[in-house]
Amino acid sequence: DAKTTQPNSMESNEEEPVHLPCNHSTISGTDYIHWYRQLPSQGPEYVIHGLTSNVNNRMASLAIAEDRKSSTLILHRATLRDAAVYYCILNSGNTPLVFGKGTRLSVIA
Amino acid sequence: GAGVSQSPSNKVTEKGKDVELRCDPISGHTALYWYRQSLGQGLEFLIYFQGNSAPDKSGLPSDRFSAERTGGSVSTLTIQRTQQEDSAVYLCASSLLGVGTTEAFFGQGTRLTVV
Repeated sequence: DAKTTQPNSMESNEEEPVHLPCNHSTISGTDYIHWYRQLPSQGPEYVIHGLTSNVNNRMASLAIAEDRKSSTLILHRATLRDAAVYYCILNSGNTPLVFGKGTRLSVIA
Repeated sequence: GAGVSQSPSNKVTEKGKDVELRCDPISGHTALYWYRQSLGQGLEFLIYFQGNSAPDKSGLPSDRFSAERTGGSVSTLTIQRTQQEDSAVYLCASSLLGVGTTEAFFGQGTRLTVV
């Protein structure tokens, strides 16, 4: 699976929007862009995924660049509960998710 | 239960002993994955099952590690002759099909401590 690059850490104020970037310049045409997050002392949980078009769900939005070489996970109003490590992962089918180091998001009250 | 269930939640074992970790995936999920996470580290892939077969065992760190899945459901990860470096949280995940187009659901993990 192609590699992704994310900042090591980011900080946000509570109730502010958060934009978490991910670069994936070697993405292939069949790669889906997945986001998972891991809260402290818990297993990872699914956030959102997409292929080409922007996606919205109850947790977040995913904005995908037109050339698909980058994407941004958007949390519309950060809460203290959103403090976690966020992973951007490319996956094209029946292969396991490969987790990188992710972005550690801190939320300040 | 609706989620992925792992047991035990915690296991302390003596160096050299064998341990078995169990994963009950969500009913109907054909794909099952094992990962481990050492303290302060990222998730390390171990093995992937599609049904009862394991098309990808590339992450198993040594021949002391093995896993099986029966009936397309429950999976057991066995570590023989445990070593201190095996101490980690072992996580299991399942998905309806492959994770390329669907989401994976993770269990809470088994924390293994080898003393």
